[in-house]
Amino acid sequence: DAGITQSPRHKVTETGTPVTLRCHQTENHRYMYWYRQDPGHGLRLIHYSYGVKDTDKGEVSDGYSVSRSKTEDFLLTLESATSSQTSVYFCAIRKPSRNGLAGVNEQFFGPGTRLTVL
Amino acid sequence: GENVEQHPSTLSVQEGDSAVIKCTYSDSASNYFPWYKQELGKRPQLIIDIRSNVGEKKDQRIAVTLNKTAKHFSLHITETQPEDSAVYFCAAILNTGGFKTIFGAGTRLFVKA
Repeated sequence: DAGITQSPRHKVTETGTPVTLRCHQTENHRYMYWYRQDPGHGLRLIHYSYGVKDTDKGEVSDGYSVSRSKTEDFLLTLESATSSQTSVYFCAIRKPSRNGLAGVNEQFFGPGTRLTVL
Repeated sequence: GENVEQHPSTLSVQEGDSAVIKCTYSDSASNYFPWYKQELGKRPQLIIDIRSNVGEKKDQRIAVTLNKTAKHFSLHITETQPEDSAVYFCAAILNTGGFKTIFGAGTRLFVKA
Protein backbone atom coordinates (compact mmCIF):
# COMPACT_ATOMS: atom_id res chain seq x y z
CA ASP A 1 0.00 0.00 0.00
CA ALA A 2 3.09 2.22 -0.25
CA GLY A 3 2.48 3.56 3.26
CA ILE A 4 -0.80 5.39 2.75
CA THR A 5 -4.00 4.51 4.59
CA GLN A 6 -7.41 6.09 4.97
CA SER A 7 -9.94 5.89 7.77
CA PRO A 8 -12.72 5.12 7.99
CA ARG A 9 -13.08 3.00 4.86
CA HIS A 10 -16.86 3.22 4.92
CA LYS A 11 -19.19 5.67 6.61
CA VAL A 12 -22.90 6.36 6.57
CA THR A 13 -24.07 9.60 8.11
CA GLU A 14 -27.03 11.93 8.11
CA THR A 15 -27.44 15.31 6.47
CA GLY A 16 -26.18 18.14 8.64
CA THR A 17 -23.71 16.13 10.69
CA PRO A 18 -19.96 16.85 10.69
CA VAL A 19 -17.66 14.23 9.20
CA THR A 20 -13.87 13.94 9.28
CA LEU A 21 -11.87 11.65 7.05
CA ARG A 22 -8.26 10.86 7.82
CA CYS A 23 -5.36 10.18 5.50
CA HIS A 24 -2.16 8.82 7.02
CA GLN A 25 1.21 8.30 5.33
CA THR A 26 4.38 6.76 6.69
CA GLU A 27 6.92 7.95 4.10
CA ASN A 28 7.24 11.65 5.00
CA HIS A 29 6.08 13.01 1.63
CA ARG A 30 5.50 16.72 1.44
CA TYR A 31 2.50 16.84 -0.90
CA MET A 32 -0.87 15.28 -0.05
CA TYR A 33 -4.19 15.54 -1.89
CA TRP A 34 -7.88 14.85 -1.37
CA TYR A 35 -10.07 13.86 -4.33
CA ARG A 36 -13.65 12.82 -4.72
CA GLN A 37 -14.73 10.32 -7.35
CA ASP A 38 -18.19 10.36 -8.89
CA PRO A 39 -19.55 8.58 -11.98
CA GLY A 40 -19.01 10.65 -15.10
CA HIS A 41 -16.65 13.08 -13.37
CA GLY A 42 -13.53 11.06 -12.82
CA LEU A 43 -11.40 12.29 -9.94
CA ARG A 44 -11.77 15.90 -8.86
CA LEU A 45 -9.37 17.67 -6.54
CA ILE A 46 -10.90 19.04 -3.32
CA HIS A 47 -7.87 20.39 -1.43
CA TYR A 48 -4.17 19.73 -1.29
CA SER A 49 -1.31 20.35 1.09
CA TYR A 50 2.29 21.24 0.34
CA GLY A 51 3.53 21.04 3.92
CA VAL A 52 2.54 21.23 7.57
CA LYS A 53 -0.12 23.93 7.93
CA ASP A 54 0.16 24.73 4.20
CA THR A 55 -2.97 23.95 2.22
CA ASP A 56 -4.76 25.24 -0.85
CA LYS A 57 -8.06 24.76 -2.63
CA GLY A 58 -8.77 22.49 -5.56
CA GLU A 59 -11.57 22.64 -8.10
CA VAL A 60 -14.41 21.46 -5.81
CA SER A 61 -13.52 22.84 -2.39
CA ASP A 62 -16.89 24.33 -1.37
CA GLY A 63 -18.28 22.61 1.72
CA TYR A 64 -14.93 21.06 2.67
CA SER A 65 -12.06 22.10 4.90
CA VAL A 66 -8.71 20.45 5.55
CA SER A 67 -5.99 20.50 8.15
CA ARG A 68 -2.44 19.26 8.31
CA SER A 69 -0.88 19.65 11.74
CA LYS A 70 1.82 17.05 11.10
CA THR A 71 3.47 15.62 8.02
CA GLU A 72 1.88 12.20 8.22
CA ASP A 73 -1.78 13.20 8.60
CA PHE A 74 -4.09 15.12 6.27
CA LEU A 75 -7.67 15.51 7.48
CA LEU A 76 -10.71 16.31 5.36
CA THR A 77 -13.74 17.73 7.16
CA LEU A 78 -17.29 18.16 5.99
CA GLU A 79 -18.64 20.71 8.48
CA SER A 80 -22.27 19.91 7.68
CA ALA A 81 -22.64 16.96 5.33
CA THR A 82 -25.09 17.12 2.43
CA SER A 83 -26.40 14.38 0.14
CA SER A 84 -24.38 15.86 -2.75
CA GLN A 85 -21.25 14.92 -0.82
CA THR A 86 -22.05 11.23 -1.09
CA SER A 87 -18.99 9.96 -2.95
CA VAL A 88 -15.84 7.92 -2.80
CA TYR A 89 -12.97 9.96 -1.38
CA PHE A 90 -9.36 9.25 -2.24
CA CYS A 91 -6.29 10.63 -0.59
CA ALA A 92 -3.03 10.73 -2.56
CA ILE A 93 0.61 11.45 -1.94
CA ARG A 94 3.17 12.72 -4.41
CA LYS A 95 6.20 10.51 -4.70
CA PRO A 96 8.96 9.79 -7.24
CA SER A 97 7.75 8.00 -10.35
CA ARG A 98 8.07 4.22 -10.15
CA ASN A 99 8.60 4.17 -13.89
CA GLY A 100 11.93 5.88 -13.47
CA LEU A 101 10.93 9.05 -15.25
CA ALA A 102 13.59 11.50 -14.15
CA GLY A 103 12.38 14.60 -12.32
CA VAL A 104 8.78 13.46 -12.35
CA ASN A 105 6.59 12.52 -9.43
CA GLU A 106 3.44 10.45 -9.52
CA GLN A 107 0.39 10.60 -7.31
CA PHE A 108 -0.08 7.43 -5.33
CA PHE A 109 -3.59 6.83 -4.02
CA GLY A 110 -4.89 5.51 -0.76
CA PRO A 111 -7.54 2.76 -0.67
CA GLY A 112 -10.49 5.19 -0.60
CA THR A 113 -13.37 5.99 1.74
CA ARG A 114 -16.95 5.41 0.67
CA LEU A 115 -19.14 8.08 2.28
CA THR A 116 -22.93 7.98 2.14
CA VAL A 117 -24.94 10.97 3.37
CA LEU A 118 -28.61 10.17 3.94
CA GLY B 1 -7.46 26.38 -15.54
CA GLU B 2 -6.54 23.05 -17.07
CA ASN B 3 -9.29 20.89 -18.51
CA VAL B 4 -8.92 17.32 -19.76
CA GLU B 5 -11.47 15.66 -22.02
CA GLN B 6 -11.47 11.90 -22.49
CA HIS B 7 -13.18 9.71 -25.08
CA PRO B 8 -14.89 7.34 -25.33
CA SER B 9 -16.65 6.99 -21.99
CA THR B 10 -17.25 3.29 -22.66
CA LEU B 11 -15.34 0.91 -24.92
CA SER B 12 -16.06 -2.73 -25.60
CA VAL B 13 -13.60 -4.90 -27.53
CA GLN B 14 -13.10 -8.58 -28.26
CA GLU B 15 -10.22 -10.32 -26.55
CA GLY B 16 -7.11 -9.99 -28.68
CA ASP B 17 -8.23 -6.76 -30.35
CA SER B 18 -6.66 -3.35 -29.72
CA ALA B 19 -8.19 -0.56 -27.64
CA VAL B 20 -7.51 3.15 -28.03
CA ILE B 21 -8.48 5.88 -25.57
CA LYS B 22 -8.01 9.52 -26.48
CA CYS B 23 -7.59 12.66 -24.39
CA THR B 24 -7.17 16.35 -25.05
CA TYR B 25 -5.89 18.98 -22.66
CA SER B 26 -6.28 22.73 -22.63
CA ASP B 27 -3.23 24.19 -20.87
CA SER B 28 -0.16 24.18 -23.10
CA ALA B 29 2.00 24.48 -19.95
CA SER B 30 1.09 20.91 -18.92
CA ASN B 31 4.21 18.80 -19.16
CA TYR B 32 3.44 15.41 -17.68
CA PHE B 33 0.70 12.98 -18.70
CA PRO B 34 0.05 9.88 -16.59
CA TRP B 35 -2.50 7.16 -17.22
CA TYR B 36 -4.22 5.32 -14.39
CA LYS B 37 -6.10 2.03 -14.31
CA GLN B 38 -8.81 1.45 -11.73
CA GLU B 39 -10.28 -1.98 -11.17
CA LEU B 40 -13.68 -2.29 -9.55
CA GLY B 41 -13.61 -1.27 -5.90
CA LYS B 42 -9.90 -0.49 -5.92
CA ARG B 43 -7.68 2.58 -6.02
CA PRO B 44 -6.42 4.11 -9.29
CA GLN B 45 -2.94 2.88 -10.13
CA LEU B 46 -0.41 4.38 -12.51
CA ILE B 47 0.22 2.20 -15.56
CA ILE B 48 2.26 4.43 -17.86
CA ASP B 49 3.32 8.05 -18.09
CA ILE B 50 4.98 10.38 -20.56
CA ARG B 51 6.67 13.74 -20.43
CA SER B 52 6.00 16.55 -22.85
CA ASN B 53 9.41 16.24 -24.50
CA VAL B 54 8.66 12.69 -25.68
CA GLY B 55 6.27 11.73 -28.48
CA GLU B 56 5.75 8.06 -27.73
CA LYS B 57 6.44 5.52 -25.01
CA LYS B 58 5.80 1.80 -24.92
CA ASP B 59 5.68 -0.75 -22.13
CA GLN B 60 4.86 -4.27 -23.33
CA ARG B 61 1.25 -4.19 -24.58
CA ILE B 62 0.65 -0.59 -23.56
CA ALA B 63 1.77 2.51 -25.42
CA VAL B 64 1.09 6.20 -25.06
CA THR B 65 1.46 8.86 -27.75
CA LEU B 66 1.55 12.61 -27.32
CA ASN B 67 0.96 15.37 -29.87
CA LYS B 68 1.91 18.60 -28.14
CA THR B 69 0.88 20.81 -31.04
CA ALA B 70 -2.64 19.45 -31.07
CA LYS B 71 -2.69 18.89 -27.29
CA HIS B 72 -3.77 15.30 -27.77
CA PHE B 73 -2.52 12.16 -26.07
CA SER B 74 -3.69 8.60 -26.42
CA LEU B 75 -3.43 5.21 -24.72
CA HIS B 76 -3.09 2.13 -26.91
CA ILE B 77 -3.56 -1.39 -25.55
CA THR B 78 -2.75 -4.22 -27.93
CA GLU B 79 -3.74 -7.90 -27.67
CA THR B 80 -6.32 -7.08 -25.03
CA GLN B 81 -7.07 -9.62 -22.31
CA PRO B 82 -10.06 -9.94 -19.95
CA GLU B 83 -7.91 -8.65 -17.09
CA ASP B 84 -7.52 -5.36 -18.97
CA SER B 85 -11.19 -4.68 -18.19
CA ALA B 86 -11.22 -1.63 -15.91
CA VAL B 87 -11.72 2.12 -15.89
CA TYR B 88 -8.83 4.08 -17.37
CA PHE B 89 -8.11 7.72 -16.55
CA CYS B 90 -5.85 10.10 -18.40
CA ALA B 91 -4.44 13.12 -16.62
CA ALA B 92 -2.40 16.24 -17.18
CA ILE B 93 -0.12 17.97 -14.71
CA LEU B 94 1.51 21.36 -14.60
CA ASN B 95 4.80 20.87 -12.85
CA THR B 96 4.24 23.99 -10.75
CA GLY B 97 1.76 25.40 -8.26
CA GLY B 98 1.08 22.35 -6.14
CA PHE B 99 1.54 19.89 -9.03
CA LYS B 100 -2.19 19.53 -9.32
CA THR B 101 -3.36 16.65 -11.43
CA ILE B 102 -6.40 17.19 -13.63
CA PHE B 103 -8.09 13.95 -14.60
CA GLY B 104 -10.26 13.02 -17.53
CA ALA B 105 -13.70 11.60 -16.75
CA GLY B 106 -12.58 8.03 -17.40
CA THR B 107 -13.15 5.26 -19.94
CA ARG B 108 -14.75 2.00 -18.91
CA LEU B 109 -13.11 -0.75 -20.97
CA PHE B 110 -14.79 -4.13 -21.37
CA VAL B 111 -12.77 -6.95 -22.91
CA LYS B 112 -15.02 -9.80 -24.00
CA ALA B 113 -13.59 -13.30 -23.90
